[in-house]
Amino acid sequence: DTAVSQTPKYLVTQMGNDKSIKCEQNLGHDTMYWYKQDSKKFLKIMFSYNNKELIINETVPNRFSPKSPDKAHLNLHINSLELGDSAVYFCASSLSSLEQYFGPGTRLTVT
Amino acid sequence: AQTVTQSQPEMSVQEAETVTLSCTYDTSESDYYLFWYKQPPSRQMILVIRQEAYKQQNATENRFSVNFQKAAKSFSLKISDSQLGDAAMYFCAYSLYTGANSKLTFGKGITLSVRP
Repeated sequence: DTAVSQTPKYLVTQMGNDKSIKCEQNLGHDTMYWYKQDSKKFLKIMFSYNNKELIINETVPNRFSPKSPDKAHLNLHINSLELGDSAVYFCASSLSSLEQYFGPGTRLTVT
Repeated sequence: AQTVTQSQPEMSVQEAETVTLSCTYDTSESDYYLFWYKQPPSRQMILVIRQEAYKQQNATENRFSVNFQKAAKSFSLKISDSQLGDAAMYFCAYSLYTGANSKLTFGKGITLSVRP
């Protein structure tokens, strides 16, 4: 009964490809997030959605497009992957913006 | 903009001893939340403890407690009776409560090792 799940956990792909990461939460939360953790372990928010509406977009290249089909899902699609996109991507969710619960992360490696 | 600073990149503690991890932050707001997250080698982000800025009482969760100094903008984490399973990276984080606009701002993290 994983609270916040992400698929896949690992993703290896070549430059220029398009890929998606999926996130689902079964906590009944109303807000979902995408964070990026770089090679130095620094975590930074990318997007947040509240009830399927985009709330935060932190100057992320438009090659990254989040999509929230419903409150329980938030997917991240990345076009034209670049070497610098290699990172761990975390999905998180919260209820009324209190503490956030994180998924297991997706390690993306672009070769 | 809010910033969170964790100036110590690494710390080490003997098993069963106590260790304190430091964190400072910068904000002009009066209502906000502070968190400590733990990231073990499995890379899962685990919430350790939360502190509401309007509460004067320091939060505690079993062996974990904080020293919250609002005026000094300091938020340190104390781990008592350290265990081998406490070895991980610890992130201090700040969140301004603005409803749906809330987001976590993280420090750079500190790697804690526990010596048996």
